[in-house]
Amino acid sequence: AQTVTQSQPEMSVQEAETVTLSCTYDTSESDYYLFWYKQPPSRQMILVIRQEAYKQQNATENRFSVNFQKAAKSFSLKISDSQLGDAAMYFCAYRSTGNQFYFGTGTSLTVIP
Amino acid sequence: GAVVSQHPSWVICKSGTSVKIECRSLDFQATTMFWYRQFPKQSLMLMATSNEGSKATYEQGVEKDKFLINHASLTLSTLTVTSAHPEDSSFYICSALRRDRTPTGELFFGEGSRLTVL
Repeated sequence: AQTVTQSQPEMSVQEAETVTLSCTYDTSESDYYLFWYKQPPSRQMILVIRQEAYKQQNATENRFSVNFQKAAKSFSLKISDSQLGDAAMYFCAYRSTGNQFYFGTGTSLTVIP
Repeated sequence: GAVVSQHPSWVICKSGTSVKIECRSLDFQATTMFWYRQFPKQSLMLMATSNEGSKATYEQGVEKDKFLINHASLTLSTLTVTSAHPEDSSFYICSALRRDRTPTGELFFGEGSRLTVL
């Protein structure tokens, strides 16, 4: 089974600064999809960004971007110009071609005003 | 964006009673729905996967007789916690895959349901 590892249980960042959240995964598949989800205090899971494994170009969504290193099986999330509303749990997720989703253990992000 | 509605968002029940949680995809058809359980400050633990019209596939260690899942239509799945006990108290989250976006689509999540068993 695939595993997703988030090695940073907690991270903090000053407002307006940049922070990078780490994620690594283990798989033998060549085609798969990676996601970052945000879970704010309301606990509603929200999609932040998505990356298809076959695409070499790193995905970006406004202030959010990823550094996808397929050979290293690494998928980090960079949040630029951090805002107070970015404070949340962030989960890295892997979707296999078999429609199975695997989630990391999460990183709790604190934004310091 | 696709909307998944989960109801109730919060329920308190007495030990021994059963509780039903509904998960509806409001503006799309869901091929597959997933049910997760989440403990405080922890990740999502997959309980079961349900496909419309077929029996749910339960993860190892999840009691299928305690956590009954029914996926009656392409827009509705229900989780019934039978004979609930305090240890079943948790946050339950459903999610759905859009029928028209497989295999590349992301999961859409409900708002979650907090169950407290007294």
